[in-house]
Amino acid sequence: DTGVSQDPRHKITKRGQNVTFRCDPISEHNRLYWYRQTLGQGPEFLTYFQNEAQLEKSRLLSDRFSAERPKGSFSTLEIQRTEQGDSAMYLCASSSFSRQTDTQYFGPGTRLTVL
Amino acid sequence: AQKITQTQPGMFVQEKEAVTLDCTYDTSDQSYGLFWYKQPSSGEMIFLIYQGSYDEQNATEGRYSLNFQKARKSANLVISASQLGDSAMYFCAMRGINTGGFKTIFGAGTRLFVKA
Repeated sequence: DTGVSQDPRHKITKRGQNVTFRCDPISEHNRLYWYRQTLGQGPEFLTYFQNEAQLEKSRLLSDRFSAERPKGSFSTLEIQRTEQGDSAMYLCASSSFSRQTDTQYFGPGTRLTVL
Repeated sequence: AQKITQTQPGMFVQEKEAVTLDCTYDTSDQSYGLFWYKQPSSGEMIFLIYQGSYDEQNATEGRYSLNFQKARKSANLVISASQLGDSAMYFCAMRGINTGGFKTIFGAGTRLFVKA
């Protein structure tokens, strides 16, 4: 079990460019989550997948954001026409549903800086 | 609406002493889960401990214990015998089983400083 991995770890881009992040969950986990964390705050939920189905999206996820999990394994988060306000840490987490816990395990995050 | 409140922006503790980090929550769900995560300066969120709303005993994991007071809606984290490596941000989180859907909400965090 290698844990949740995310790529890239850091991304610097210019305003207006598109960026794509990748998340590889723990292999046996069927649930995958994306969060955004800004400086000094806790993570904020963006979206959730169970297998390949995207079951919930936050209102924070504007039309410029899209997430996919095509084969129920890795996931990508794309931000189009980036804005300076998109600068944040983007965290991915995965879990294997159990009735009582559904503990989410997080990756190291991708830190996005929009210039 | 669900909410997590952590009222201590920062805490100091002497090495080898115990420290309590406060967390209160608000939910209309009858069934929910409470979590604590540690975030070192490297940025990765590390799961520490879980408490279910129907668990009758307080959760413990090594040096971490959760002081769960359901009537007061509090879920404080107790770290015993603090170590220098415990210096980090600590987040309390909650997932409601019914109205909370699939998302987990987090508090603003408490930064813990362990002094040698």
